[in-house]
Order: sequence, then C-alpha cells, then structure tokens
Amino acid sequence: EPEVTQTPSHQVTQMGQEVILRCVPISNHLYFYWYRQILGQKVEFLVSFYNNEISEKSEIFDDQFSVERPDGSNFTLKIRSTKLEDSAMYFCASRDPAGHNYGYTFGSGTRLTVV
Amino acid sequence: EDQVTQSPEALRLQEGESSSLNCSYTVSGLRGLFWYRQDPGKGPEFLFTLYSAGEEKEKERLKATLTKKESFLHITAPKPEDSATYLCAVVSGGYNKLIFGAGTRLAVHP
Repeated sequence: EPEVTQTPSHQVTQMGQEVILRCVPISNHLYFYWYRQILGQKVEFLVSFYNNEISEKSEIFDDQFSVERPDGSNFTLKIRSTKLEDSAMYFCASRDPAGHNYGYTFGSGTRLTVV
Repeated sequence: EDQVTQSPEALRLQEGESSSLNCSYTVSGLRGLFWYRQDPGKGPEFLFTLYSAGEEKEKERLKATLTKKESFLHITAPKPEDSATYLCAVVSGGYNKLIFGAGTRLAVHP
C-alpha cells in the first residue's frame, strides 16, 4: 500500500535555528497538509497546499513557517527560527479526493525537539 | 466553529470486556467523520470513514456508527493489542482539513 514518507524521524535543534522537515507524499495525490501534535495535546491543522500554493493556513502558521513543493515529489515544512514551543510531532498528510477513505494518508511523523 | 469532543479521555478494560468510545461533533454540513488509531510516537492510522447518519462500518473487533450529532466506536472482546489512542476527526473547510478530538487512550489488560 502506498505510504507517505517523512524524514527525519527525530530532529533536535537549538532555539533560533532553522529546520526543514521533509515529506514524500503519495505520487498521485493532489492535496498536501501539515499537522502538528504537541505532547499530550490534540492533532492540530497547520496548512494545506494545492496546485503549488497554500490553500488554507491556521493561526499557528505564522511568518516563521513556510511550505514548498520544490521538485514535484517532496513537500517541505520550514521553520525559520525555532522556539521551545515548536517542540512537537509534525505529521505530513496527502489526499486524493477519489480515495476510498476521503483519500487521507498520514506519514509516521517527525519528532522535533527544540532545546 | 467546527468542533470534536471525545469521551472518555482514558479507558481501562480487561481483555474481553466490550465497551464504546464516544465522539460528539459540531460541524456545518458533515462531509466525513474519521476514526484513527494512534500508537505512541506514530502517525494516525486510518480505521473508518463515515459519511451519513445511520451508517455503520466494521473491521475485526471494531464497529463505528454515526448519528447526526455523534459517533461511537464499539470495541467487542478487546485484546491487549487494541491498546492505543483512538482519534476522531471531521472534515472541515473548503480544502478539507481535519479537525481532531483529543482522543481516547485505551488500555486493555490481560
């Protein structure tokens, strides 16, 4: 079964550093998402991406965050200057509207630890 | 604003002791309600999608049902390997993001 692949699985970074989280969505999917889950809290929507542009973003997704699909296969989330409160699991998801479960498939996540 | 509330927060069962998890939702025009399983440190794993009141879906020991205001995940004769957090989510907005509940942490003891 096709998978969404995320790398790295765990990243530790110093506060103020830039990080890039990488995702390879399922190849024929058209919609891409980032979600995050702070330890012990809900999974929260960050941003959706369609047709090479952001289609919707949450209030969490401020100017420190950006997303790109640089080469037609990878989908990245960049945090420019990390803060302690950015520590969380970050999940990538891709969606094919014709899929049997509304097409949503999640990756296994990147655990970001900001120290 | 679309919302999802799950109860209980945590549930401890003996192996074989059946029970139900609840998901109450408020959404303007339901386009889909999802149930996911999440193991520690892992991403959500798809279980079911329900689209309309009265719909039911089953998979092994799990059965999901849907009414106009809530969904239930029934677990029949659970085993220790069913221990996980079960997440409920609804489709929301024009680009179909998911709004998640806080989850129910299920522990099944032998």
